[in-house]
Amino acid sequence: AQSVTQPDIHITVSEGASLELRCNYSYGATPYLFWYVQSPGQGLQLLLKYFSGDTLVQGIKGFEAEFKRSQSSFNLRKPSVHWSDAAEYFCAVGHLGDMRFGAGTRLTVKP
Amino acid sequence: GAVVSQHPSWVICKSGTSVKIECRSLDFQATTMFWYRQFPKQSLMLMATSNEGSKATYEQGVEKDKFLINHASLTLSTLTVTSAHPEDSSFYICSARDTGTGSSGNTIYFGEGSWLTVV
Repeated sequence: AQSVTQPDIHITVSEGASLELRCNYSYGATPYLFWYVQSPGQGLQLLLKYFSGDTLVQGIKGFEAEFKRSQSSFNLRKPSVHWSDAAEYFCAVGHLGDMRFGAGTRLTVKP
Repeated sequence: GAVVSQHPSWVICKSGTSVKIECRSLDFQATTMFWYRQFPKQSLMLMATSNEGSKATYEQGVEKDKFLINHASLTLSTLTVTSAHPEDSSFYICSARDTGTGSSGNTIYFGEGSWLTVV
């Protein structure tokens, strides 16, 4: 069965610091992997996705993620966090629809 | 880019009544749409897969008679919560799969979500 684990429930970083949000997955085949961001009371916004090819994926808002098959991971990174990045981040795995979401990681940005 | 629209964004209904939420793909056709439910401070849980022109496929534990899904056209899926109760209060989100060609092909787009409060 497919599943997604986000080990960190809550992360706090200082503005300007680097960020890495962890995501591990379990999937029977080569997965499609996604990162979404959700602001309070809002819907989901796609940050980036991985289908195949280059394992380092660039997304919007300066985010990137690296697919590591050997570690079953798809960690999200940003070199310098902005206060507006504070939100809930969800990693998802699936095959174009039947998506399973991780529990989410809440990011707090300190001034 | 492709947009998925949900309506209404907020709805309050009395216990025992039914409420309908619409999910529309605005600039692409979606043969498949998906309905999720999110409780406060929790993740999204897939409720059902909505297939245009056929019956929806429900996830285990989701009552199909309570959460009626209709996907009558390639751009519209509806979720009707029947005989709603306070425990049905939640954030409902739909998504649609763009299977078109080009850079947006085979991508999932999410709606903005609908807050349902049953009083």
